[in-house]
Amino acid sequence: KAGVTQTPRYLIKTRGQQVTLSCSPISGHRSVSWYQQTPGQGLQFLFEYFSETQRNKGNFPGRFSGRQFSNSRSEMNVSTLELGDSALYLCASSSSTGVATGELFFGEGSRLTVL
Amino acid sequence: DAKTTQPTSMDCAEGRAANLPCNHSTISGNEYVYWYRQIHSQGPQYIIHGLKNNETNEMASLIITEDRKSSTLILPHATLRDTAVYYCIVRAPYSQGGSEKLVFGKGMKLTVNP
Repeated sequence: KAGVTQTPRYLIKTRGQQVTLSCSPISGHRSVSWYQQTPGQGLQFLFEYFSETQRNKGNFPGRFSGRQFSNSRSEMNVSTLELGDSALYLCASSSSTGVATGELFFGEGSRLTVL
Repeated sequence: DAKTTQPTSMDCAEGRAANLPCNHSTISGNEYVYWYRQIHSQGPQYIIHGLKNNETNEMASLIITEDRKSSTLILPHATLRDTAVYYCIVRAPYSQGGSEKLVFGKGMKLTVNP
């Protein structure tokens, strides 16, 4: 079956703009998590959605937001972009229901460059 | 979640077994050990996880010491495609209401040489 699909793969924005990234999880997976990866900070958890509800949130400013739709697809939005938001944004899906499995399937990521 | 310590890097010859160590001396009784790897420019890939018994799957074996303070991921016959950053993660099966949150450290760069 198809893996986790993220779009767009690459994008360039300027400071102050906003961006929306999309993630389609593996069919049947209801949990979608987002991570930011930078050379300096490594992989950092942004948030997780399960059945359209945010189940957990990392330590990021309110400019970072997300949502999940009824078909489990998820989007994340970053408003008022800063240079430091340049990163690889990774989406992961999991088949977890009531029990978190820890087995996440990651997409290839969306590489955002802020100029 | 317990903190893990891994070497910064390791080299391995192609075709040989790669033994990747991880220390997690503060692990709690209900915390599992997970291994992920990230090949350059790709998303992380789940490898294996275990609680206290040794585990094996098609990718690797996980050996956890009896006191659970350390573990070793074994790639039995390393190939060039196994060159990646390997992350050892410790977490409880239920975390903050069932969240799938993973805390990644800096990981260990494994280089498989021809």
